[in-house]
Amino acid sequence: AQSVTQLDSHVSVSEGTPVLLRCNYSSSYSPSLFWYVQHPNKGLQLLLKYTSAATLVKGINGFEAEFKKSETSFHLTKPSAHMSDAAEYFCVVSPLTGTYKYIFGTGTRLKVLA
Amino acid sequence: GAVVSQHPSWVICKSGTSVKIECRSLDFQATTMFWYRQFPKQSLMLMATSNEGSKATYEQGVEKDKFLINHASLTLSTLTVTSAHPEDSSFYICSASSSGANGYNEQFFGPGTRLTVL
Repeated sequence: AQSVTQLDSHVSVSEGTPVLLRCNYSSSYSPSLFWYVQHPNKGLQLLLKYTSAATLVKGINGFEAEFKKSETSFHLTKPSAHMSDAAEYFCVVSPLTGTYKYIFGTGTRLKVLA
Repeated sequence: GAVVSQHPSWVICKSGTSVKIECRSLDFQATTMFWYRQFPKQSLMLMATSNEGSKATYEQGVEKDKFLINHASLTLSTLTVTSAHPEDSSFYICSASSSGANGYNEQFFGPGTRLTVL
């Protein structure tokens, strides 16, 4: 069975400060892991993905995440927040093979303060 | 590449009518398409998985007769909300996946359709 937990429902940071959005997963199989961002009334945009290659994954807009198997974590970070980063972020786990179903986390709403 | 479109982007209908939402993969063949529902300020809930030429597989609790899914071609899937009621109002998002593409199972998401039932 697979599951994903986003540890914070809301995160507030000041513009220019680092961002950390936490995600822990549980998987019986080698997983794929994804981070998506969703702006209000918009669809999902892929930020980055881990698919059993390099454990440190770099994505778009300066985001990166590190796959830590020993900690079953896949936290999303960015060195310096921008106002445009304010949005909802979803961590997703999926098996590498099989049904391709995505298991979504409950989401973290990022607020960026001026 | 890997672009998925949805039509319409928003729709308002009267209670009791049916609404069809289209999901198209524009530049790849989608062997599998997924339909999600998202309530305000909540995560995405998987409604059903459809494979081209096969009947859709619905998640537990999703009414098959209420939400009709057709995946007639490798580039098109449709979701029909039959006899819509205000509680069906929601944001519906589709995604498409190509089996074995790039060696892993990435889903490509459409922009979503906002359904409002009066």
